[in-house]
Amino acid sequence: GESVGLHLPTLSVQEGDNSIINCAYSNSASDYFIWYKQESGKGPQFIIDIRSNMDKRQGQRVTVLLNKTVKHLSLQIAATQPGDSAVYFCAENSRGTTDSWGKLQFGAGTQVVVTP
Amino acid sequence: ETGVTQTPRHLVMGMTNKKSLKCEQHLGHNAMYWYKQSAKKPLELMFVYNFKEQTENNSVPSRFSPECPNSSHLFLHLHTLQPEDSALYLCASSQARPRGNSPLHFGNGTRLTVT
Repeated sequence: GESVGLHLPTLSVQEGDNSIINCAYSNSASDYFIWYKQESGKGPQFIIDIRSNMDKRQGQRVTVLLNKTVKHLSLQIAATQPGDSAVYFCAENSRGTTDSWGKLQFGAGTQVVVTP
Repeated sequence: ETGVTQTPRHLVMGMTNKKSLKCEQHLGHNAMYWYKQSAKKPLELMFVYNFKEQTENNSVPSRFSPECPNSSHLFLHLHTLQPEDSALYLCASSQARPRGNSPLHFGNGTRLTVT
């Protein structure tokens, strides 16, 4: 079946370095992707999204890259800070639209640990 | 303040108990959702309400019963749960717009333990 998954369950990053979190998806019909951040004891928080007609989108200290050829999504965090320690989820909408989130598929998550 | 408030934050209940989870969104959104988050598993969608009408029920057992009295409030009624139902239950909301939904806004969840 269709699935969204993350390559690495845990990523350890030194403070100040850049982080790269990877995500693979298998549904070729997906055209909308989202990254969420979940800190301990809190719910997921929206970070950034991207549509399949783009291959790169930048936010504040974050960049999402989309490679549709190999069905790969990544989140880059520049100058990682202690406050970036969290679980990061990618998600894709299998309906290919944002009309409804009823088919939004989440990955299992990557734990990012920022060390001093 | 996340804009989506869930109560209680923690709940311990026996398998024969009846309890309810409450969610309130202060964002003016018109769609609300229940998700289940178990350890090391992806988020699982349970129910979706658009404009107070249930539009998705992801094969959820009948021991979970949702209620959406208005677009700001969502409840999840629980009865005769099983230990495997222990998880973090997340409520979310979004705004349906002509050009597509806003991203989901999540509450901080209710940590449920079934004994």
